[in-house]
Amino acid sequence: RKEVEQDPGPFNVPEGATVAFNCTYSNSASQSFFWYRQDCRKEPKLLMSVYSSGNEDGRFTAQLNRASQYISLLIRDSKLSDSATYLCVVNMGLTGGGNKLTFGTGTQLKVEL
Amino acid sequence: NAGVTQTPKFQVLKTGQSMTLQCAQDMNHEYMSWYRQDPGMGLRLIHYSVGAGITDQGEVPNGYNVSRSTTEDFPLRLLSAAPSQTSVYFCASSWDTNTEAFFGQGTRLTVV
Repeated sequence: RKEVEQDPGPFNVPEGATVAFNCTYSNSASQSFFWYRQDCRKEPKLLMSVYSSGNEDGRFTAQLNRASQYISLLIRDSKLSDSATYLCVVNMGLTGGGNKLTFGTGTQLKVEL
Repeated sequence: NAGVTQTPKFQVLKTGQSMTLQCAQDMNHEYMSWYRQDPGMGLRLIHYSVGAGITDQGEVPNGYNVSRSTTEDFPLRLLSAAPSQTSVYFCASSWDTNTEAFFGQGTRLTVV
């Protein structure tokens, strides 16, 4: 089982649609959670952190369910500019100590006219 | 406002050659890391550092060395390039693993 699993997509949606991405993680001791956005052939950039109480940033809403080890990202009123790959990222412990960010393989979103 | 600067952006190596990927950050971050990104694999941690003089291995360290003599710089050395090291490499920095990681623009490395 992968440490962080995402549906790779692609999700093809019309402009204005609402789309949801899901992510599961394997380590119940994981400490912090993020969604990053990666445009084609570019570096990942933080979209938002994910808090236990859930959080919203404009059209984007992130939810965390620790009991089910599940993270979600909801995008409302999709724009063409939202087309990108969305990476689920979890802070996990390393075998030899310390922590690392573990990345999912990403979910590709294509917003169409 | 440089952030994380990574060089070179593109590189072609022959099998057996060595090279150093440079990474520098100007945000005074303690935590720096190197990842490789391959299709269908996600970003995988190669090496990381929690401060000057301190480095440790990540998930896929074989064939790579790092050092951290200053807070700003964290170079990645390929000792003897192999085709399996063909990938996109990203350097990142952050205060720690619970805060936003800032990435360099990436290095596209091809080993022939």
